[in-house]
Order: sequence, then structure tokens, then C-alpha cells
Amino acid sequence: DVVLTQTPVSLSVTLGDQASISCRSSQSLEYSDGYTYLEWYLQKPGQSPQLLIYEVSNRFSGVPDRFIGSGSGTDFTLKISRVEPEDLGVYYCFQATHDPYTFGAGTKLELK
Amino acid sequence: QIQLVQSGPELKKPGESLKISCKASGYTFTDYAMQWVKQAPGKGLQYMGWINTQTGKPTYADDFKERFVFSLETSASTAYLQINNLKNEDTATYFCSSYVYWGQGVMVTVSS
Repeated sequence: DVVLTQTPVSLSVTLGDQASISCRSSQSLEYSDGYTYLEWYLQKPGQSPQLLIYEVSNRFSGVPDRFIGSGSGTDFTLKISRVEPEDLGVYYCFQATHDPYTFGAGTKLELK
Repeated sequence: QIQLVQSGPELKKPGESLKISCKASGYTFTDYAMQWVKQAPGKGLQYMGWINTQTGKPTYADDFKERFVFSLETSASTAYLQINNLKNEDTATYFCSSYVYWGQGVMVTVSS
């Protein structure tokens, strides 16, 4: 199975700071159709996960442009510029290229 | 609007079985696969597998091939997760997810 390694495990920020989360895959996530099925989710306390980014860098409808996904192959990054209170929670990367699909272990974004 | 509404919390004893439902509304049920995700208390997201809503064919991640059954009632736009021979380690919240939408989760507690 594909292993997604997220770093850091937790990230303490001040509101307005930039935050950066890394997700490294044990295999390339580029599918045979040329697309890379790497997604980012945010799970706020007590809520279901919500999709932020799909196919590495595409923001889902309604996601603010301060969320920026990038990367290719096995290395991916989610950057959040100007962290706001509603951005706090646990971020997960998720790959849907190789079956079985897998999640990273999560990165908790919290206030310093 | 699009909704996935799951059944209520469950308290079961080891060895018992349960069946969780996930009712979809606001879209054509067979347009998207249904996925299932487990979240143990205080832990991250674990991908369980998915079911093709057009053919009913399930695909299970390795950890969920033995006691777990995905099924559908297409006429009712409902997906089901059945867990047989429950174990303490099945204590978790179980989410259904279709396309980018998620159910609210079902908390399952297994305790003697």
C-alpha cells in the first residue's frame, strides 16, 4: 500500500502567519492518465473532513485562495498564507491514485 | 442540497454485528462511488474501501477484508456498512463519503 508521510505532526502558528505542510508518498502518485490524484482535507474538531484541494493544486469550490497546493510525483505541499481562526484543525493528505487509497497521518494546526 | 445522512450511534458487545446506513439525497446516487472511512478515538482517518454504486461491487482495503461488508439499496439511495463479529478495536466513528460530500459520521462503541 502507498504510505503518505506528513510533516510536521503539529504546527503552532500565530494568526496571520503562513503555514506549510509536507506530504511525501512512498510511490509516485501520477496515474496512467497523466493526472495526480492527491487531495488535501481539513477536519475541524467534531466535524467531518472537508475537501480543500484536489489533483494536487485545484481548490475546491468556496475554498479561499490562501490555500495553495503544489508538488508532483512523490512530494507535495499545502501552504496556507495568512492563517485565520477557521483554518485550525487537522489537515490530511489523501491519495486516490493507487488502490487501496490511503490517508496521511494528519497535521494538527493550532494557535501558538 | 446534497446530503449524506448516516444512522445514529451504536453500543454493541464483542461478537455482535451491526449495520450502519448512509442515505444520500440531492444528487443521482449512482453518479458517484461511496467510500467508507474509519476514525478511531483521537486518531487519524483510515480508508476502508469503496463500493461501485452502479454495479454494487465492493473493494476493501486490506485491514477490512474479513468482517466488513459494503452494500447498497439503490432504490432508496442508501449505502450500508455491516461489521460482523465486533471487536473492541472496532470502536470508532465511521464516515461515508461520496464525491466530495461526507456524512456526519456514526460513533460505534464496542464494549462488554
